[in-house]
Amino acid sequence: GEDVEQSLFLSVREGDSSVINCTYTDSSSTYLYWYKQEPGAGLQLLTYIFSNMDMKQDQRLTVLLNKKDKHLSLRIADTQTGDSAIYFCAEKVTGGGNKLTFGTGTQLKVEL
Amino acid sequence: DTEVTQTPKHLVMGMTNKKSLKCEQHMGHRAMYWYKQKAKKPPELMFVYSYEKLSINESVPSRFSPECPNSSLLNLHLHALQPEDSALYLCASSQGLAGPYEQYFGPGTRLTVT
Repeated sequence: GEDVEQSLFLSVREGDSSVINCTYTDSSSTYLYWYKQEPGAGLQLLTYIFSNMDMKQDQRLTVLLNKKDKHLSLRIADTQTGDSAIYFCAEKVTGGGNKLTFGTGTQLKVEL
Repeated sequence: DTEVTQTPKHLVMGMTNKKSLKCEQHMGHRAMYWYKQKAKKPPELMFVYSYEKLSINESVPSRFSPECPNSSLLNLHLHALQPEDSALYLCASSQGLAGPYEQYFGPGTRLTVT
């Protein structure tokens, strides 16, 4: 089966960097995604990385992928209060259509 | 325009009612999805439509009936639901099924079954 694990909670101070981690088990992952969900809202796609890449940077967001360890991380630089939300990683596997397996979600709380 | 719209925003229904959820996108996407999300949990895939044909049904009970009348619209018909079906129902769309086609999500319909 496919299991995608994340730590449940992360608290950071405004202006610091946040690092949200994700581990997955399916080695046939092709793309890995990060989504943000604010309270009462749908999921907002933040970024994605192809499985043959190690890193992708997009403004304040940096995605790191360690395929050997099946570990994905999302770094948010200069974290702001508006970044407070639940963050889900998701993997798409070969032959799965466009089916995504979502991680358990990490609640990020940004304190002043 | 990367918007997926869903109506209604909130829905309260009794266990004997019949209601429908509606989803619409005008991005020219050919794949559309229904997800169910319980509080503090990740979304769970229910159905996938590709080119208006049902591609994936994740063993969803028949009291949930999807319909894709055209490439821009996706409905979810609800009948004889149970209280445990109360959840946020999310619709998503993507360009297709292969490749890195990102899924864009709507804001969801919060369903309460009484």
